[in-house]
Amino acid sequence: GNSVTQMEGPVTLSEEAFLTINCTYTATGYPSLFWYVQYPGEGLQLLLKATKADDKGSNKGFEATYRKETTSFHLEKGSVQVSDSAVYFCALWEDSSYKLIFGSGTRLLVRP
Amino acid sequence: DVKVTQSSRYLVKRTGEKVFLECVQDMDHENMFWYRQDPGLGLRLIYFSYDVKMKEKGDIPEGYSVSREKKERFSLILESASTNQTSMYLCASSPHGAGGHHYEQYFGPGTRLTVT
Repeated sequence: GNSVTQMEGPVTLSEEAFLTINCTYTATGYPSLFWYVQYPGEGLQLLLKATKADDKGSNKGFEATYRKETTSFHLEKGSVQVSDSAVYFCALWEDSSYKLIFGSGTRLLVRP
Repeated sequence: DVKVTQSSRYLVKRTGEKVFLECVQDMDHENMFWYRQDPGLGLRLIYFSYDVKMKEKGDIPEGYSVSREKKERFSLILESASTNQTSMYLCASSPHGAGGHHYEQYFGPGTRLTVT
């Protein structure tokens, strides 16, 4: 079946550092891909999405490009802030079952 | 502003108790979902519903049931709580179909349930 694999955390960075969180997927066809973010004490929020190959999703300085050759959707940000500390989930939409398939999440901690 | 609310943020129950977790959304969404979130496992789908009185099993429905009597409300029921059901429970909703937005899910803040 379809699946999503994320790098294990926690990822600890200093403020203004460059961020990459790796995400790869296994799927039949070309599913829509997502990054969700969960801030402490809150539910998940959609951060960005890409619905077809080579699309780039972007929001709040975060970007991710849908790479079908490498089946990847890595999350990047050029300069992280303390307020970006959260758990980030990569996910894909499985049309056949009408479900979001989530990765295990990556915790990001940004130090001042 | 879109909103999904859950009845409790923290809940402590005893083994064998019947537990009700309530979720309400004010966005007139057709679809509603219950997940549990455990460290290292991400989110796992328990049940979902396309419409009032409809329900579908997710990946881990054992030990749970659901009820959707009104469009805005989706309840998760633990018939006889067990310690392995200690977890964070997240409710979500999404619109149906047109425009491809059915996969954009809106989440509540979660209920952290402890079963002792």
